[in-house]
This record gives sequence, C-alpha cells and structure tokens, in this order.
Amino acid sequence: DVVMTQTPVSLSVSLGGQTSISCRSSQSLVHSDGNTYLYWYLQKPGQSPQLLIYKVSNRFSGVPDRFSGSGSGTDFTLKISRVEPEDLGVYYCYQGTHYPWTFGGGTKLELK
Amino acid sequence: QVKLQQSGAELVKPGASVKLSCKTSGYTFSTSYMSWFKQIPGQSIEWIGMIYAGDGGTGYNQKFKGKATLTVDTSSSTAYMDLSSLTTEDSAVYFCARGGRVSDYWGQGVMVTVSS
Repeated sequence: DVVMTQTPVSLSVSLGGQTSISCRSSQSLVHSDGNTYLYWYLQKPGQSPQLLIYKVSNRFSGVPDRFSGSGSGTDFTLKISRVEPEDLGVYYCYQGTHYPWTFGGGTKLELK
Repeated sequence: QVKLQQSGAELVKPGASVKLSCKTSGYTFSTSYMSWFKQIPGQSIEWIGMIYAGDGGTGYNQKFKGKATLTVDTSSSTAYMDLSSLTTEDSAVYFCARGGRVSDYWGQGVMVTVSS
C-alpha cells in the first residue's frame, strides 16, 4: 500500500497567519492516465471529513481561496493563508491513484 | 442538496454481525459510487471499499475483504455495509461517502462498539 507521510503532526498558528502542511507519498501519484489523484481533507472536531482540494491544486466547491495546493510526483503541500477559527481541525492528504486508496496520518491545526 | 444520513450507533457483541445503512438524497444515486471508511477515534482514516450503485459492482481494500460486504438498494437510494465476525478491533466510527476514487459528500458517521 502507498504510505502517505504528513508533516508536521501538529501546528500552532495565529489567527490571520499563514501556514503549510507537507505530504509525501511512498510512490509517485501520477496515474497512467496522466492525472495525479492527490486530495486534501479537513476534519473539524466531531465532524466528517470535508473535501478541500482535489487533484493536487483544485479547490472544491465553496472552499475559499485562502486554501491552495501544490506539488507533483511524491511531494505535495497545502497552504493556508489568513487563518480563521473555522480552519481549525485535522488535515489529511489522501491518494486515489494506487489501490487501495490511503490517507496520511493527519496534521492537527491549533490556535497559538 | 446532497445528503447522506447514516443509521444510529451500534453496540454489538464479539462474533456478531452488524448492518449499517446510509440513506441518500439530492443526487442521482443509481449512477454514483459509494465508498465506506473506518476511523478509530483519535486515529487516521482507512478506505474500506466502494460500490457502484448502477450495477452493484464492488472494490475492496484487501484488508477488509471478508470483513465488510457492500450492497445498495436503488429503490430507496440507500447503501449498506455488513460487518461480520466483529472483534474489539472493529470498534470505530464508520462513514459512508459519495464517490469512488474520491469522496465529496460524507455521512455523519456511525459509532460501532464491539463489547461483551
């Protein structure tokens, strides 16, 4: 199975600040069809995961432009700017390129 | 709007089985995939498998083959997951979510507790 390694495990950020989360996969996530099926989710406390970013850098419907994704191959980054209270929770990267689909271990974003 | 409503919390004995449901609305169920996920509280998420409602075709994470069985009822736009031979390691929150390769809308999750 593809191992997704996220760093850091936890982050402290000030409201209005900027931060980034790294995700590294144990294999390239470029599919034979040319797409890279790397996604980012946010799970707020007591809630279901919500999709933020699909295929590396595309924001899902309703996701503010404070969130941006980048990367290629095995290295990916989620950047969050102008952090708001509603951004707090656990962020997961997820790959849908290689069966079975797998998640990273999560990065907990907290207020400083 | 898209909604996925899961059944209530379950307390089951070791060795028993449980059937979880996920009733959907707001989209065309019969031409969509449904995935299921497992999350032990405080831990990351595992993908269990997916089912295409159009023909009932399934794909499973090898880890959950023999443990989980996915089915659908297109007449009620409901997806089901049977979990068999339950052990304490199956105690977790289980989510249904629309989609195969990626899931965009999720149910609220259901806690399954396996205890004697």
